[in-house]
Amino acid sequence: EDKVVQSPLSLVVHEGDTVTLNCSYEVTNFRSLLWYKQEKKAPTFLFMLTSSGIEKKSGRLSSILDKKELFSILNITATQTGDSAVYLCAGYSGGSNYKLTFGKGTLLTVNP
Amino acid sequence: NAGVTQTPKFRVLKTGQSMTLLCAQDMNHEYMYWYRQDPGMGLRLIHYSVGEGTTAKGEVPDGYNVSRLKKQNFLLGLESAAPSQTSVYFCASREPPGPINTEAFFGQGTRLTVV
Repeated sequence: EDKVVQSPLSLVVHEGDTVTLNCSYEVTNFRSLLWYKQEKKAPTFLFMLTSSGIEKKSGRLSSILDKKELFSILNITATQTGDSAVYLCAGYSGGSNYKLTFGKGTLLTVNP
Repeated sequence: NAGVTQTPKFRVLKTGQSMTLLCAQDMNHEYMYWYRQDPGMGLRLIHYSVGEGTTAKGEVPDGYNVSRLKKQNFLLGLESAAPSQTSVYFCASREPPGPINTEAFFGQGTRLTVV
């Protein structure tokens, strides 16, 4: 069964801190890994990672995938209170099993 | 430009009642998913579909049924609701994997309470 594990499950930081969120995966016929941010409602897409070692960046957020070690990290620099959210990691499987499996999420709280 | 639309947004059921949640997408996506989200549990896959007329079980399928009679709609049914099915339900859709992979798009969620 496919499995995605995120750590830490929760994190409290102060504005301006840099955080690293971790995601390890065991996904059959792995195709890609996705990061989402979830505030009050539906998850919103951040990144999709398919190739190892290629960093994706969007403003203060960046992410990278290691397909050999089966993990990904999401970095947020100079955190702001608006970054407070649950960050979800998910793995796409391919072959005959087209599931999208999520981890439990990391609850990030950024205090002023 | 609706994307993925879920109805209803909120519902309170009594134990033993039945209901159907509707997910509609206007992006012509082949794949559709139903998840439930409980505190501290992330998103757990209930059922999914890789095309019109097809469905498959996910991680937590018991107590739910689904149908995909039309490509744009994915229905989630609860035949006899139980308090353990109190949750927030999310529908998602996406294109099949190909030369360009795309993300899954989510509906706004349905908050279901079973009393």
